[in-house]
Amino acid sequence: ILNVEQSPQSLHVQEGDSTNFTCSFPSSNFYALHWYRWETAKSPEALFVMTLNGDEKKKGRISATLNTKEGYSYLYIKGSQPEDSATYLCAFDNDYKLSFGAGTTVTVRA
Amino acid sequence: GAVVSQHPSRVICKSGTSVKIECRSLDFQATTMFWYRQFPKQSLMLMATSNEGSKATYEQGVEKDKFLINHASLTLSTLTVTSAHPEDSSFYICSARAGEGSNQPQHFGDGTRLSIL
Repeated sequence: ILNVEQSPQSLHVQEGDSTNFTCSFPSSNFYALHWYRWETAKSPEALFVMTLNGDEKKKGRISATLNTKEGYSYLYIKGSQPEDSATYLCAFDNDYKLSFGAGTTVTVRA
Repeated sequence: GAVVSQHPSRVICKSGTSVKIECRSLDFQATTMFWYRQFPKQSLMLMATSNEGSKATYEQGVEKDKFLINHASLTLSTLTVTSAHPEDSSFYICSARAGEGSNQPQHFGDGTRLSIL
């Protein structure tokens, strides 16, 4: 079992504010780092798959960075909206097997 | 986009019953599918990798005789929880990759909540 940790476990954000949270993972035998958004009663939705150290990816108001040498990734949400409320999961990809963190649950208050 | 359908979404049954969960890739072929389990307040844990046309690969601590996996076609994998007991009550979810390569995400079903009485 690979140790993937996400922090914080939950956070509340005022609508319009920006926020970020972290995922830490083993820095050895790196294949890829995945981010998913999981809304209640839906299936996890893929946000990013990051493979290169220093990678930065963006999808609308959401972006992510990757540091494979120190074993962490940040997910940023700019100008949070109520529809951003979800649990955000990161997963360490070790030869196509995913080890998930416990997630960061984001609640955006109007 | 790639869609994965999982059925049923909810099962409530008596102890000793065997339960079959289906995972279908609707618009792509998947030689490999994955089965995860999530207990309350814990992370998704990989149970097994389902390989089309061959035996599944189980993670350490997962009983292959308890959790039977069949991947008979490129679009369907099934997980059967045999003689389920209350400790098997959990959330089970499947996923599949739509392509090869390290930059491919996994596409998930909606999950199955299993409750054994």
